[in-house]
Amino acid sequence: AQKITQTQPGMFVQEKEAVTLDCTYDTSDQSYGLFWYKQPSSGEMIFLIYQGSYDEQNATEGRYSLNFQKARKSANLVISASQLGDSAMYFCAMRSNSGYSTLTFGKGTMLLVSP
Amino acid sequence: GAVVSQHPSWVICKSGTSVKIECRSLDFQATTMFWYRQFPKQSLMLMATSNEGSKATYEQGVEKDKFLINHASLTLSTLTVTSAHPEDSSFYICSASVRLVVFGEQFFGPGTRLTVL
Repeated sequence: AQKITQTQPGMFVQEKEAVTLDCTYDTSDQSYGLFWYKQPSSGEMIFLIYQGSYDEQNATEGRYSLNFQKARKSANLVISASQLGDSAMYFCAMRSNSGYSTLTFGKGTMLLVSP
Repeated sequence: GAVVSQHPSWVICKSGTSVKIECRSLDFQATTMFWYRQFPKQSLMLMATSNEGSKATYEQGVEKDKFLINHASLTLSTLTVTSAHPEDSSFYICSASVRLVVFGEQFFGPGTRLTVL
């Protein structure tokens, strides 16, 4: 069974500052993928970044980077230079690459960016 | 990029009626579609997985006779909430996936907000 834990129900950050959203996971699989999604108040799920378990380098996508520490089973999302539009719910998710499995989501972290 | 649409975006219905929600992949053929339910301030809960042309696989605790899923083509899946009750009020999100994509990314629809009076 897979499990995603996001321990921060809410985070506050000032505009232009960096923020780290925590995510730890538990799985017995050797090959898996880790995802981060953003869900603004409109409800749509926006894909941000992906990290494969065998990827040696941390994934980066613009202002988003994923701090992947495999031994600690953590996949924290780092948002640099926060913007007001970053205020949203953020979900960490994982998917096993064995066979074809579904996404397992964490409970989410609400990020509020203040001016 | 891959686009998934949902229709309607919101619906209000009376208790006891049935509601159909459509999920379409607009610019790709989705081998698999997923249906999620999300209650306010909670995470997405997977309801079922459907592959084109076959019966949906429901998650434990989801009533298949209440939440009817039809995946008739590679671009369309429908979720019908039968005899809806107020406790079925929720945000329903579909996603579509292409099996051969390297990391099996799911493309999400914009969601449907269902309110049952």
